[in-house]
Amino acid sequence: DQQVKQNSPSLSVQEGRISILNCDYTNSMFDYFLWYKKYPAEGPTFLISISSIKDKNEDGRFTVFLNKSAKHLSLHIVPSQPGDSAVYFCAASALNYGQNFVFGPGTRLSVLP
Amino acid sequence: ETGVTQSPTHLIKTRGQQVTLRCSSQSGHNTVSWYQQALGQGPQFIFQYYREEENGRGNFPPRFSGLQFPNYSSELNVNALELDDSALYLCASSLKTGNAQKTQYFGPGTRLLVL
Repeated sequence: DQQVKQNSPSLSVQEGRISILNCDYTNSMFDYFLWYKKYPAEGPTFLISISSIKDKNEDGRFTVFLNKSAKHLSLHIVPSQPGDSAVYFCAASALNYGQNFVFGPGTRLSVLP
Repeated sequence: ETGVTQSPTHLIKTRGQQVTLRCSSQSGHNTVSWYQQALGQGPQFIFQYYREEENGRGNFPPRFSGLQFPNYSSELNVNALELDDSALYLCASSLKTGNAQKTQYFGPGTRLLVL
């Protein structure tokens, strides 16, 4: 029973275009969401987070959108760069209940030059 | 770089053996969580330690155990290794205040192969 789903195992985007990575969750108790990027042979690197009191958070080229009613969030990368090629994990937590992070299975993003 | 370190980087064991993995958390963090990442999957939560006590556990058997030390470093011990224990083991540190914790920062992981 996957509580956090990333239904696209892979995504290819041309350099300079927008990358959109999607994530769906089932547990309505989740109130804090994060995106991590992972290169081979490295641990996941924190990218950006959003709490459920917001519907958008922006940090440079990265923007996360949260649609609570649809239990859906997305990560937008604009413009995409070849160095963005990695596996992206969505994670969710019930922050104030001290629960740990539940990760999705990841989406492999390839940015083509 | 997160400041979270793990050792060893790679390890090969045989079925039935025991293994200990180590993690040093980021300065100022008081909480350590351990995850298992199998090939092609996202990290799966094993357990978390806060102030030297287990503070939550995922769906892993008791042969997975841990410790947190006063300096907030941590160990993950796995007894009676099985072939399916082959995975990348990730340690993540965070700062918990009250019952809330914020972002977790991951170490590079230890890749364990069980033959």
